[in-house]
Amino acid sequence: SYELTQDPAVSVAMGQTVKITCQGDILRGDFASWYQQKPGQAPLLVIHGRKHNRPSGIPDRFSGSSSGDTASLTITGAQAEDEADYYCNCRDGSSNHVVFGGGTKLTVL
Amino acid sequence: QVQLVQSGGGVVQPGGSLRLSCVASGFNFRSFGMHWVRQAPGKGLEWVAFIRSDGTQKYYADSVKGRFTISRDNLKKTLYLDLKRLRADETATYYCAKDLGATMVGGGAFDVWGQGILVSVSP
Repeated sequence: SYELTQDPAVSVAMGQTVKITCQGDILRGDFASWYQQKPGQAPLLVIHGRKHNRPSGIPDRFSGSSSGDTASLTITGAQAEDEADYYCNCRDGSSNHVVFGGGTKLTVL
Repeated sequence: QVQLVQSGGGVVQPGGSLRLSCVASGFNFRSFGMHWVRQAPGKGLEWVAFIRSDGTQKYYADSVKGRFTISRDNLKKTLYLDLKRLRADETATYYCAKDLGATMVGGGAFDVWGQGILVSVSP
């Protein structure tokens, strides 16, 4: 089975920029999506698709990018409310299974 | 208001069965693929299953294939997950989630999530 690898934890000073990465071979074949999850809440889609689209209501400080087998979520000017767990996912085209990364806990200092 | 409202969770003994439901409102349910995702306490997200908008294609994680069944009733705007032969390590919050498309195009992006429902597998 395929995997998506994320750093378990990342920290950023308030107002600074942070990049969260997601690495895996299946990212060469399809697009990553990114989710924010705060304690006790359902995940929230923040970035998706080939053009790294932001759903309505997601602040423009969230952006996505990708290169080869790595997808990235960048938060430019992190805010206290951005402290959360972040997950990537992607479809494995050979099996049509969806794979989630292990998640990155973001701490805003 | 676009939303998914879940029901059906609870406590079940190992080897037992349960049916989860997810009722959609605020969008054209019959036009979108749907997923189930679970999250064990303190752990990450795990994809469980997908069903195409018209119900003609279903995919399952290897860990649940043969024991879980995803289905939908487009007239009732309801998604289901039948869980059988449950194991203790399947204690988790189960989420239903809407795909952006009918057939998981775009890599499997889930833009609407249910509130989550706890399934506790315990003697």
